[in-house]
Formats: sequence, structure tokens, C-alpha cells
Amino acid sequence: QSALTQPRSVSESPGQSVTISCSGTSSDVGGYNYVSWYQQHPGKAPKLVIYDVTQRPSGVPDRFSGSKSGNTAALTISGLQPEDEADYYCCSYAGTSFVFGGGTKVTVL
Amino acid sequence: QVQLVQSGAEVKKPGASVKVSCKASGYTFTSYGINWVRQATGQGLEWMGWVIPNSGNTVYAQKFQGRITMTRDTSTGTAYMELSSLRSDDTGVYYCTRNYEGLQYWGQGSLVTVSS
Repeated sequence: QSALTQPRSVSESPGQSVTISCSGTSSDVGGYNYVSWYQQHPGKAPKLVIYDVTQRPSGVPDRFSGSKSGNTAALTISGLQPEDEADYYCCSYAGTSFVFGGGTKVTVL
Repeated sequence: QVQLVQSGAEVKKPGASVKVSCKASGYTFTSYGINWVRQATGQGLEWMGWVIPNSGNTVYAQKFQGRITMTRDTSTGTAYMELSSLRSDDTGVYYCTRNYEGLQYWGQGSLVTVSS
């Protein structure tokens, strides 16, 4: 199972929006509506910000949103805040297993 | 509240085995799968496999097949992950995480260092 493809890094100014892509195949991202996204600050455990492509867990700000088209999913962070600077990972169900993306570092300029 | 509490840091020699525990509380242990995810030092997240506590059934990532074993003890609500034939590139933080509507609950992580 190959890792999902994410950009290594993205950066933007506070208040702006960033979109992180997550490219897979029809065996993972494209085959199931079970894509999730995780935020990880240095030295901390990952935190779920989006599940089932578009759903936000309780307590996650609504500036985080998810989408999917074909074999590519995306996480958009609108109204970027300094505390959003972190690594972000996508994850997809793949039949009986799961696969993560390589991670994207989001820098708030 | 849901909590996953993992065992402490370990230092192992190459070729040895390590067993990490994950004690669940705040929910019915047999109702949700437990996944194991590792993060090698300075690297990304890597899914290792999962165990279904109710049945004990497991699915392992192909990369770890043959040297990983996931088990559970329903009497104590604890999941275990044992990795054998350790190599230096197995050094990293190992997380357990509960599977339902994404991986919402994570343990604090267990650092495993493989060094001669």
C-alpha cells in the first residue's frame, strides 16, 4: 500500500486560506468516503480535524473543511490563525487497512 | 471521558522485541477497533495495523507482516502491540488510537529506541 501524496509544505498569511491536497487511487481515496485529516503540533499526538471526508468533530473550528473529487481529497483552512501552524496528515480507508499521506507542513507567515 | 494510556519508553538492542500496551477507559473496550500508528523520528505517520477487541481479529500493514503481533485483554481493557526483529529504523513513537468516525482518540505515544 503506497502512501497518499501530499505537498510537502504550504504557507500563507494570517486570515487567508490554504488548501492541502491528498492524492490516492480508486482503491483508497476514490473508493471510500472515509478520508480523515489530522493536525499535529511538534511533540504532540495527532488531533482529528476532519473525518468521513467532510465531517468535523465536536470542538474543531468551522474554518476547517474537507472535500473530495475522484481520487483526490482536500483540506481547506479558512481564516488562517497562528495556532494553525502545524503538520497535517490525510488518511484513507483502503478496504481492510488504512493509509496515511506523507504530511504537509503549514506555515503561517 | 475516553482515555488511552500507553506504556513508557523502551530502549532495545537490534534484533530484540518490544511490547507496547494501551489501556483504554471511559468507553466499552470491545465496541471499537484499536489501531497502531508509528512515527519514526522526524518522519510522518505510518499505519501499522489494527485489532478488533471483540473478536481478537487483526489486520496488519504488509510492511510489518511476519514481525508484528497485536493482541488484547478484554478483562483489563488493554491492547498490545509487539514488534520483533527490531532495527535502528524502528526507532520512533508508537501510538494507539481508537477507530470510529476517524481516529479521534489517541494515546500519548510510547517512544521506542533501538540502539546497540
